[in-house]
Amino acid sequence: GAVVSQHPSRVICKSGTSVKIECRSLDFQATTMFWYRQFPKQSLMLMATSNEGSKATYEQGVEKDKFLINHASLTLSTLTVTSAHPEDSSFYICSAIQGAVAYEQYFGPGTRLTVT
Amino acid sequence: GDSVTQMEGPVTLSEEAFLTINCTYTATGYPSLFWYVQYPGEGLQLLLKATKADDKGSNKGFEATYRKETTSFHLEKGSVQVSDSAVYFCALSDQLTGGGNKLTFGTGTQLKVEL
Repeated sequence: GAVVSQHPSRVICKSGTSVKIECRSLDFQATTMFWYRQFPKQSLMLMATSNEGSKATYEQGVEKDKFLINHASLTLSTLTVTSAHPEDSSFYICSAIQGAVAYEQYFGPGTRLTVT
Repeated sequence: GDSVTQMEGPVTLSEEAFLTINCTYTATGYPSLFWYVQYPGEGLQLLLKATKADDKGSNKGFEATYRKETTSFHLEKGSVQVSDSAVYFCALSDQLTGGGNKLTFGTGTQLKVEL
């Protein structure tokens, strides 16, 4: 089946620094990628939807200047957490779809971000 | 807005026991319903889906029936195996509010199956 990878799987950074997380579709071209955030024992919360070559669409309450999303190619999207703070510590998950149907999302394994 | 509520875990069962994980939803439009599974260290995988009322989704021995009258989509399996140990997420997509591309997830239920 379709495979989505994320890198890194874990990252620890100091408060005030920026961190980039990569999401790659390994064996298909992803027209749309999604970024989620998951807190312990809580749902996956959609942060933004990105389409290749265009600006990401952010969900209400998500700061677009803090969570920069770039979808420069059909196989790569990046999420940059700028000026990270301890409250940004979380589990970030990306997913990708080939077509237009939501349930055909293929998920990455997630990235654990810890801000100290 | 749309929401999904599923039972809290962890659920611990012995091998070959019957499994039920409850899931109920609220939605503005006519949602499609899904169960995703996340094995340790891996990404979420679609387990099964149902797109309209009374549909039954099934896969790998798991089943769930879309019950519009009770707004439920409970996951069942007749005989669980140790390899079924994972976190299970109930989710919906609502064509009316999300254009069909937005998934709303429950909190996930961890299943532990013991020998």
